Amino acid sequence: KAGVTQTPRYLIKTRGQQVTLSCSPISGHRSVSWYQQTPGQGLQFLFEYFSETQRNKGNFPGRFSGRQFSNSRSEMNVSTLELGDSALYLCASSSQGDSRYEQYFGPGTRLTVT
Amino acid sequence: DAKTTQPTSMDCAEGRAANLPCNHSTISGNEYVYWYRQIHSQGPQYIIHGLKNNETNEMASLIITEDRKSSTLILPHATLRDTAVYYCIVGGAQKLVFGQGTRLTINP
Repeated sequence: KAGVTQTPRYLIKTRGQQVTLSCSPISGHRSVSWYQQTPGQGLQFLFEYFSETQRNKGNFPGRFSGRQFSNSRSEMNVSTLELGDSALYLCASSSQGDSRYEQYFGPGTRLTVT
Repeated sequence: DAKTTQPTSMDCAEGRAANLPCNHSTISGNEYVYWYRQIHSQGPQYIIHGLKNNETNEMASLIITEDRKSSTLILPHATLRDTAVYYCIVGGAQKLVFGQGTRLTINP
């Protein structure tokens, strides 16, 4: 079974621009979560989607948004990019998204904002 | 904030068992204990998780104390490829709250 895939793997943007990152979960998985990893803050939860609905949200500004499609693929969008948004963005999928089921992470998208 | 406390770093000799402790004294009755590891900026890798009973899979064993306030991850025969940051997480699978983890170094 193929793992979680994320595209693109690397991205360079300038301040003020917006960016869209894509995540394809493991086949059959319905829950997709997004995380941001920076050297200073570590791994932080952004949001989680299940059956096209956002179920959980972390403590990030409204510039960070996401969505999930009917095939469970998910995208996250960051508008008005800031230098501090430079990070590794990780997507994880879970079959049902409840506590009994583990999450599987993709390789991440490394975003650099200049 | 993370609900777990882990040592910042540990060393282990190759071929020996690596025992990684984790304290989670505020765990509630329906919260699972998860272990993940991250190797040098790759995506975190799931290792094992459990609720009350000890668990074992092909990668590791998880020992949870009877009061569930602490647990130990055991890598039975550590190899150099097990060098990574290990995260102990308590909570729900939909929203993993990562702490700083334990940087485990396997020495030849």
